[in-house]
Amino acid sequence: EAGVTQFPSHSVIEKGQTVTLRCDPISGHDNLYWYRRVMGKEIKFLLHFVKESKQDESGMPNNRFLAERTGGTYSTLKVQPAELEDSGVYFCASSQGNDYNEKLFFGSGTQLSVL
Amino acid sequence: ELKVEQNPLFLSMQEGKNYTIYCNYSTTSDRLYWYRQDPGKSLESLFVLLSNGAVKQEGRLMASLDTKARLSTLHITAAVHDLSATYFCAVDLNYGGSQGNLIFGKGTKLSVKP
Repeated sequence: EAGVTQFPSHSVIEKGQTVTLRCDPISGHDNLYWYRRVMGKEIKFLLHFVKESKQDESGMPNNRFLAERTGGTYSTLKVQPAELEDSGVYFCASSQGNDYNEKLFFGSGTQLSVL
Repeated sequence: ELKVEQNPLFLSMQEGKNYTIYCNYSTTSDRLYWYRQDPGKSLESLFVLLSNGAVKQEGRLMASLDTKARLSTLHITAAVHDLSATYFCAVDLNYGGSQGNLIFGKGTKLSVKP
């Protein structure tokens, strides 16, 4: 069974450009999460989808970030326009349902560098 | 401010030795996670701890949770080189609710030397 996959694995863009990150969760997983780790800081929660609906987007830093999950399958995270402080590793995770004891399965992350 | 503090942040140990990683957190929570990350790889779930006094073991790793002290420990027994990785603890912010809004510690980079 395929795990959580993220694309691209690395992205280098210039300040002001737009970047779109993609996450394919494990098939059948209703829950999808985005996190990011900025250099030297902790991993931070961004948002949580349940199927196609945003359950919790309290961690989204500002309106330059737009996450979508049309059809409740894969998700995209768009940063427009990108700023220097957006550089970091963006992780996606998924879980199946609402089991209290559930594990989250993480992707390998997308390393974003904004120059 | 909600915080999850791990210590130590760096740990170099010899094979065969025992050691403990500590995770203190500042908020009430009913779920605490331990993850392992190898360089360039995804975070791998090790343990999910749900209640006070919970203890879980997998191989040479044992995790425990004291919700009253807001402390979790990850104990390593007779370390081997394959355990070298970065270990994260994370606390779920949504007490009693849906999971996933996690507060992570900075991670403990473990290096096990022969």
